[in-house]
Amino acid sequence: DIQMTQSPSSLPASLGERVTISCRASQGISNNLNWYQQKPDGTIKPLIYYTSNLQSGVPSRFSGSGSGTDYSLTISSLEPEDFAMYYCQQDASFPLTFGSGTKLEIK
Amino acid sequence: EVQLVESGGSLVQPGGSLKLSCVASGFTFSNYWMDWVRQTPGKSLEWIGEINTDGSKTNYAPSIKDRFTISRDNAKSTLYLQMSNVKSDDTAIYYCTRIRRELGHYFDYWGQGVMVTVSS
Repeated sequence: DIQMTQSPSSLPASLGERVTISCRASQGISNNLNWYQQKPDGTIKPLIYYTSNLQSGVPSRFSGSGSGTDYSLTISSLEPEDFAMYYCQQDASFPLTFGSGTKLEIK
Repeated sequence: EVQLVESGGSLVQPGGSLKLSCVASGFTFSNYWMDWVRQTPGKSLEWIGEINTDGSKTNYAPSIKDRFTISRDNAKSTLYLQMSNVKSDDTAIYYCTRIRRELGHYFDYWGQGVMVTVSS
């Protein structure tokens, strides 16, 4: 199985700040990396697919990048609704696996 | 509007069985692969398995293979997860998801989730 390691696990940040969440795969995944946001009520929303493609309706302050084993999600200027959990997910091979999550918290 | 609504979650004893349902609306259900994903308390997300558009092909995570079965009824726009011989580790919130197969295995819609608790 491909292991996905996210960092940091917790990220205190302020409104308007630029933040980056990292995701490292245990082997190369050829850009087959997706990102999701989970709100405290459990609602899960897709953000980015295939490393850098924004899901329709997702604000342009969200962006993704990476290659090989290392990927990142960047939020350019934090809005109040961005404080949530974020998960990466690889779909390069089965079983599909997720990172352990990053909790973006208000500083 | 796409909606996925799960039901059937409950308290079940170890070794018991349970069947979850997910009713889909707002899209042509028979055109999409569907998956189940779960989230254990305080932990991350775990992919359970998937089913193709006509229900003829399934694929499962090794951790649940031979205990869980995914099926679908396209006439009812409903996805199912039959859980058998459940263990305490199966305690989780179970999410029904739609897959954008042309984009790989990208979950573009999620249900609100349903809680399953395995305990004696």
